[in-house]
Amino acid sequence: AQKITQTQPGMFVQEKEAVTLDCTYDTSDQSYGLFWYKQPSSGEMIFLIYQGSYDEQNATEGRYSLNFQKARKSANLVISASQLGDSAMYFCAMREARNQAGTALIFGKGTTLSVSS
Amino acid sequence: GAVVSQHPSRVICKSGTSVKIECRSLDFQATTMFWYRQFPKQSLMLMATSNEGSKATYEQGVEKDKFLINHASLTLSTLTVTSAHPEDSSFYICSARDSAGLRTQYFGPGTRLLVL
Repeated sequence: AQKITQTQPGMFVQEKEAVTLDCTYDTSDQSYGLFWYKQPSSGEMIFLIYQGSYDEQNATEGRYSLNFQKARKSANLVISASQLGDSAMYFCAMREARNQAGTALIFGKGTTLSVSS
Repeated sequence: GAVVSQHPSRVICKSGTSVKIECRSLDFQATTMFWYRQFPKQSLMLMATSNEGSKATYEQGVEKDKFLINHASLTLSTLTVTSAHPEDSSFYICSARDSAGLRTQYFGPGTRLLVL
């Protein structure tokens, strides 16, 4: 079964507008971590934001916020005031906590965000 | 912040040759490193988990004899693609975690491999 689901292959937004990238996940663990990464055309993976399953508040990092709805198992990324430089591929990922030290991140299929002026 | 480097960034080789990719954690010790492969427009697929001083754990469908992993020190893991073929052409990315930082996972810049 797919662990991380990103249902939006592509999203389009105008500069200065906000955009939400969807992510749902599947796990039987009570303790887990959720990540969002940005991958521009250069290929580097840029860490954006992290949400722990026990974190009571939604994570925020500058223009990025994570809308964490635990009961729905969703962890949507909200980008406020989009910029042209935000155009990239965005990946949602999860790490289950059974073995914190050794467990890899599992990625969704990604969403390509295009920001226009 | 913590940095993970990869070398080479890009390699072109002939079919049948072997290619070694290095992954280094520059300012932290990484007992565990991860190797991913990414085909164009697709997601990162975990290939193997590399543990310092022990054998790597490979994901289902990944040939351990073809993708040799050596994690000889706390700052270096290598992936060797043996007898490379055109279908091995891909973007290979390593990742490492600082054991003290559960909330972060650092990625190398990736290596683009093209097998002719």
